[in-house]
Amino acid sequence: QKEVEQDPGPLSVPEGAIVSLNCTYSNSAFQYFMWYRQYSRKGPELLMYTYSSGNKEDGRFTAQVDKSSKYISLFIRDSQPSDSATYLCAMSDEGGTSYGKLTFGQGTILTVHP
Amino acid sequence: DAGVTQSPTHLIKTRGQQVTLRCSPISGHKSVSWYQQVLGQGPQFIFQYYEKEERGRGNFPDRFSARQFPNYSSELNVNALLLGDSALYLCASSFSSQTYEQYFGPGTRLTVT
Repeated sequence: QKEVEQDPGPLSVPEGAIVSLNCTYSNSAFQYFMWYRQYSRKGPELLMYTYSSGNKEDGRFTAQVDKSSKYISLFIRDSQPSDSATYLCAMSDEGGTSYGKLTFGQGTILTVHP
Repeated sequence: DAGVTQSPTHLIKTRGQQVTLRCSPISGHKSVSWYQQVLGQGPQFIFQYYEKEERGRGNFPDRFSARQFPNYSSELNVNALLLGDSALYLCASSFSSQTYEQYFGPGTRLTVT
């Protein structure tokens, strides 16, 4: 079983829809939770960064972390065609032997059509 | 400000050859991490270097090695290339070894034939 599970999709939605992207994880040591966006043949771009449980909002994006369920989500409001990309969740613990290591999900391919 | 830069952009090698990939971090960042991303998968952690020392290593064979220079740039070396080494190799920089905000470069796409 992978430490981080993410539905690869693909997910296709109309412009203006609310998008929900999710990841589950098994390692209870994870404390930092990130969402990256990756356009085709490009490097991942950091979207949001959350520590421990709770919500964080940045413009049209909201990240939620539920550590009790080992479940994280990214919501995109008023989705735009420019949001079409692969969305990767990533997680990390608080150091120890895992310096600098982000553990990624497989990525969800999102297409927003006009 | 310039982001993370990587070179070369693309590379084609033959099985058994050796390859060196290069990375320059964001100015002021002292930590560099390397990841391998196979098509259709998320990136897999290979190494982290901080202040020229290896601080973390993923589950990769000894054919993979890296180093960091005094200017914080880094090189990833892969020896005895296998077909399965074909992937996008990503470099990420962060301010310190325990900063989880990592910023990625565009990657080097390696094809092994």
